[in-house]
Amino acid sequence: AQTVTQSQPEMSVQEAETVTLSCTYDTSENNYYLFWYKQPPSRQMILVIRQEAYKQQNATENRFSVNFQKAAKSFSLKISDSQLGDTAMYFCAFMRDFGNEKLTFGTGTRLTIIP
Amino acid sequence: NAGVTQTPKFQVLKTGQSMTLQCAQDMNHNSMYWYRQDPGMGLRLIYYSASEGTTDKGEVPNGYNVSRLNKREFSLRLESAAPSQTSVYFCASSEAPDGTSAYFGPGTRLTVT
Repeated sequence: AQTVTQSQPEMSVQEAETVTLSCTYDTSENNYYLFWYKQPPSRQMILVIRQEAYKQQNATENRFSVNFQKAAKSFSLKISDSQLGDTAMYFCAFMRDFGNEKLTFGTGTRLTIIP
Repeated sequence: NAGVTQTPKFQVLKTGQSMTLQCAQDMNHNSMYWYRQDPGMGLRLIYYSASEGTTDKGEVPNGYNVSRLNKREFSLRLESAAPSQTSVYFCASSEAPDGTSAYFGPGTRLTVT
């Protein structure tokens, strides 16, 4: 079974600074997908970024980027120029590459951006 | 573009009561999921449906039943609610065979007293 670990329950950073959220996972699979989801106070789950394991290049979406280290099974999220709207819970998630597979989530990191 | 919708948004039940949480998606996705979210536990999969007419147990299926009524709708039923089922419930859908990027509904906050 796959597991996803987020070892930082809470983090805070000043507005405009850069913050990195950590995620590690355990799997015996070679092909899979990794995701970061954001959950603001509204509770809506919002996809932030995804990474295909077969791609060596790290995914980037505007201010959000990942550092994907396949051998180390590490998948961290970097938020640059943080904004107040980035305040949320962030969940790392894993999905095997077999189609119709389910997401396995970590326990989340509560990020607070301080004005 | 509604995406994934869930009803109700809030519900309070007494122990032993039953209820059904409704979920519908308009993205023509094959796969649909029910998760529950508890503090410090992340999201845990209750049941999922890979396609119309099929359902499978997830990590925490006990006390729940599901129905994939058609491609759009996937309901979750609590036959006899227990306080341990107090949680926030999320429905999600994703496309296959890509199987990536699940889209989530807004959640249902359920309290069982």
